[in-house]
Amino acid sequence: AQSVTQLDSHVSVSEGTPVLLRCNYSSSYSPSLFWYVQHPNKGLQLLLKYTSAATLVKGINGFEAEFKKSETSFHLTKPSAHMSDAAEYFCVPSDTGRRALTFGSGTRLQVQP
Amino acid sequence: DTEVTQTPKHLVMGMTNKKSLKCEQHMGHRAMYWYKQKAKKPPELMFVYSYEKLSINESVPSRFSPECPNSSLLNLHLHALQPEDSALYLCASSQYTSGGAGDTGELFFGEGSRLTVL
Repeated sequence: AQSVTQLDSHVSVSEGTPVLLRCNYSSSYSPSLFWYVQHPNKGLQLLLKYTSAATLVKGINGFEAEFKKSETSFHLTKPSAHMSDAAEYFCVPSDTGRRALTFGSGTRLQVQP
Repeated sequence: DTEVTQTPKHLVMGMTNKKSLKCEQHMGHRAMYWYKQKAKKPPELMFVYSYEKLSINESVPSRFSPECPNSSLLNLHLHALQPEDSALYLCASSQYTSGGAGDTGELFFGEGSRLTVL
């Protein structure tokens, strides 16, 4: 089964500074990988997805992630944080055999004014 | 239409009550899911329906009873719940074709039903 490790449970940045949320995956083959975002008291929204078409994936709201097979990583980045980015972020592998997603532990992003 | 609609948004029930959560999608998706999310935790899978048949049950207690009357609708019937069942219940759907090309397993989520059991 595929799994991910989100290396930071909490990240705090200042508005206008870069964001880095780290995710490492464990798989014997290249998985599909997703980043989902959850704002307080809301459902989950897909930020971006990697499906082996391109290693650098651009998502919504200025976020992007790079799939690095050599490092088994899929870190989420944004050049400049906005207050509205404050939320919980989940890195999620796709287990196409099981047809269900098992979420990473999540990283809470706090953006300071 | 790319929405998954969940009702009610909030539900308060006693331990002896019977209630239901409802989820609806009109994207033609053939897989639907229930997840449970406790505060400050990631969502945990409860059930998966594929082509209106239950395909995954993650050892969920029988006081939770899912139902998929048709490909657009998913219900979660609740009976004799415990206070520890209080959580956000998330419904999701995905395009499901058995081994179909382009099916990445992406899930579309509703905003959830927040359940409080007294």
